[in-house]
Amino acid sequence: KAGVTQTPRYLIKTRGQQVTLSCSPISGHRSVSWYQQTPGQGLQFLFEYFSETQRNKGNFPGRFSGRQFSNSRSEMNVSTLELGDSALYLCASSSINSGKGNEQFFGPGTRLTVL
Amino acid sequence: KQEVTQIPAALSVPEGENLVLNCSFTDSAIYNLQWFRQDPGKGLTSLLLIQSSQREQTSGRLNASLDKSSGRSTLYIAASQPGDSATYLCAVMSGTYKYIFGTGTRLKVLA
Repeated sequence: KAGVTQTPRYLIKTRGQQVTLSCSPISGHRSVSWYQQTPGQGLQFLFEYFSETQRNKGNFPGRFSGRQFSNSRSEMNVSTLELGDSALYLCASSSINSGKGNEQFFGPGTRLTVL
Repeated sequence: KQEVTQIPAALSVPEGENLVLNCSFTDSAIYNLQWFRQDPGKGLTSLLLIQSSQREQTSGRLNASLDKSSGRSTLYIAASQPGDSATYLCAVMSGTYKYIFGTGTRLKVLA
């Protein structure tokens, strides 16, 4: 079974631009979560989607948004980029109906650098 | 508000040693706890998942325990190898669909 895939793997943007990151979950997984990882703040939860609905959201400004499509693929968008948005963005998928309930499997991440 | 702490922040041991990594959480009302490893610049690899009703899980040389009442989990690594060098993260699912991560323990196993 293919793992979680994220595209692109690396991105360089300038302040004020916007960016869209993509995540394809493991086949059959319907829950997708997004996290931001920085050296100073560690791993922080952004939001979680299930069946195209956002079920939970972390404490991030409205510049961070996401969506999920009917095939469970998810995108997150960051508008008006700031230097502090430079981070590794990780996507995780899980199968709520699996016996291991809520075990999360992570993708390789997208490294975003804002100049 | 759930807070997750991992001690020590960094650890360096000679190859072959058995070691214990610690994870503490402030709110015992958790659904599950998951241990991950992360290699530099990479994503997270799931190691073990412990449901709130379980006390421990084992996979190969790894054993994770959970004591909800005291808000603690430990990850035991037997006979450590240089390939075990990585950052180890614990995460608790507390509240709905949201994992709270610890700050990690950076492990270095010396050959």
